Amino acid sequence: GNSVTQMEGPVTLSEEAFLTINCTYTATGYPSLFWYVQYPGEGLQLLLKATKADDKGSNKGFEATYRKETTSFHLEKGSVQVSDSAVYFCALSDTGGFKTIFGAGTRLFVKA
Amino acid sequence: DAGVTQSPTHLIKTRGQQVTLRCSPKSGHDTVSWYQQALGQGPQFIFQYYEEEERQRGNFPDRFSGHQFPNYSSELNVNALLLGDSALYLCASSLSGTGNYGYTFGSGTRLTVV
Repeated sequence: GNSVTQMEGPVTLSEEAFLTINCTYTATGYPSLFWYVQYPGEGLQLLLKATKADDKGSNKGFEATYRKETTSFHLEKGSVQVSDSAVYFCALSDTGGFKTIFGAGTRLFVKA
Repeated sequence: DAGVTQSPTHLIKTRGQQVTLRCSPKSGHDTVSWYQQALGQGPQFIFQYYEEEERQRGNFPDRFSGHQFPNYSSELNVNALLLGDSALYLCASSLSGTGNYGYTFGSGTRLTVV
């Protein structure tokens, strides 16, 4: 079945550092890939998405590229801020969009 | 534009009891999915409702059931509560045919079973 594996956290960075959170997936067909972010006490917010191979999703300085050859969708940001501290979830959706599967989440702490 | 609204925000129930959680989808959305998020884990898919029917279901026992109303709002019912049902329950909405473009999530209902 479909699955998502993302790097374990927590990840602790200083402000303005470069961020990478690794995500790999296993899927049949042509899934869509997502990154969601969850701030304390809140639900998930869609951060970015890519619906086909080689697509790059981007939002708020974050970006990720759908790599079918390596089955990866790594999240990157060139310069993190304290306000980026949250839990980040990599996810994939089956072709019909009936079911989205989430990774276990990676907690990010950014220090001033 | 209201997003996804869930109620109640917090709930404490006793083992063996039954609970009903409610969700109103984002305006314009007609599909509702429910997820269970245990502490420190990623959300787990419970089921999805469209046109008042359960369209797909995850690996959850029959104690978990749902309903969708003509106005697209939805309820999640859990019977015979177990301590392990304690979690954050998230509702997500989308427009049919666009689920592969992402969901809009509510803030969740925190259920504690004692």
